[in-house]
Amino acid sequence: AQSVTQPDIHITVSEGASLELRCNYSYGATPYLFWYVQSPGQGLQLLLKYFSGDTLVQGIKGFEAEFKRSQSSFNLRKPSVHWSDAAEYFCAVGAGQAGTALIFGKGTTLSVSS
Amino acid sequence: DAGVTQSPTHLIKTRGQQVTLRCSPKSGHDTVSWYQQALGQGPQFIFQYYEEEERQRGNFPDRFSGHQFPNYSSELNVNALLLGDSALYLCASSSLLQGLGGVLTFGAGSRLTVL
Repeated sequence: AQSVTQPDIHITVSEGASLELRCNYSYGATPYLFWYVQSPGQGLQLLLKYFSGDTLVQGIKGFEAEFKRSQSSFNLRKPSVHWSDAAEYFCAVGAGQAGTALIFGKGTTLSVSS
Repeated sequence: DAGVTQSPTHLIKTRGQQVTLRCSPKSGHDTVSWYQQALGQGPQFIFQYYEEEERQRGNFPDRFSGHQFPNYSSELNVNALLLGDSALYLCASSSLLQGLGGVLTFGAGSRLTVL
């Protein structure tokens, strides 16, 4: 069955430090992969997506993610975290017809300390 | 450019009642999907509407139904509410016509509390 696992429930990073959020997926075909961010009281915002091609994808707000087929992973990275990055982060894989029904992981809560 | 708008933002119902949630998609989008997000969980896919028809459905009972109107707006209906239906209901729009069906724009959600 298709699934997404985000192993870290909660991560705390110092402001200015680097960040890596882990995501592993289970999907039979070439996956469509996404990272979304959710701030309190707000909907989810797309950070970046991978459909095909270059396995290192750049997103908004300085985020990037690398697709590693051999490891079934799509980890999110940022070289220098800002306090405003504190939020809930969700990894998702596109399933169903044309990959348009997303399966989300349970999310990772990011806290940023000063 | 208005994004996805949902109403109401909060509502409280009692067990057994029925609820209707509404969603207006982002301008230019033709597809509406609904997700349920329980507290501390990731969103779960309920169903997707395109051209006024339900195209895909997740693992949700028939108590959950929907509709899409000619202007692409959508409603989610839940009958015979259970305590476990308490959640944030997210509407997301996208453009299948542009081949970007998986690139979703989410609304802020409707928070349903069932007592």
